[in-house]
Amino acid sequence: DAKTTQPNSMESNEEEPVHLPCNHSTISGTDYIHWYRQLPSQGPEYVIHGLTSNVNNRMASLAIAEDRKSSTLILHRATLRDAAVYYCILRAPFSGSARQLTFGSGTQLTVLP
Amino acid sequence: DAGVTQSPTHLIKTRGQQVTLRCSPKSGHDTVSWYQQALGQGPQFIFQYYEEEERQRGNFPDRFSGHQFPNYSSELNVNALLLGDSALYLCASSLASGAYNEQFFGPGTRLTVL
Repeated sequence: DAKTTQPNSMESNEEEPVHLPCNHSTISGTDYIHWYRQLPSQGPEYVIHGLTSNVNNRMASLAIAEDRKSSTLILHRATLRDAAVYYCILRAPFSGSARQLTFGSGTQLTVLP
Repeated sequence: DAGVTQSPTHLIKTRGQQVTLRCSPKSGHDTVSWYQQALGQGPQFIFQYYEEEERQRGNFPDRFSGHQFPNYSSELNVNALLLGDSALYLCASSLASGAYNEQFFGPGTRLTVL
């Protein structure tokens, strides 16, 4: 699986937008970009994923660079509950059996009140 | 609709012992994956079960083994425990035929080896 690079930690103020970057310069043309987050004392949870186009859902937005070598997870209005470790993961397309997730170290997001 | 459940929540063992961890997948899911998460690190893939067979395996020794039952629940067994096996063990379920294989994680079992 291709490698991703994320900052170790970031801080944000409550109710402000947060932009979490991820570099993946060796991404293949068919890799999907997935984001998961892990709240304290919980298992990871899915946030969003995309291939080429920007994506929005109720939790966040995913902005993908035109060359696909980087992406940014956007939390439009951070709350204290968004404090978590955010993981950017590349996954090969569905191939008939569920593929494992390869986690890096992620970005620890701290939200300040 | 119950999500992924794991038992026990916490476990303390001594070196050399054996341990069994259990996982019940989200309703409707047929695939179970196990991950090990050491303190301060991201989860590392151990193996994945589908149709009661191990389908994929990460870089873990044979001391780690598993099983999937006809009702899709799963067990993770670790033999000859080492201090380095102390970690949070996470179970994730998914649907093999799902378009994006989104994985749903349980809260984990915290294993401490003394």
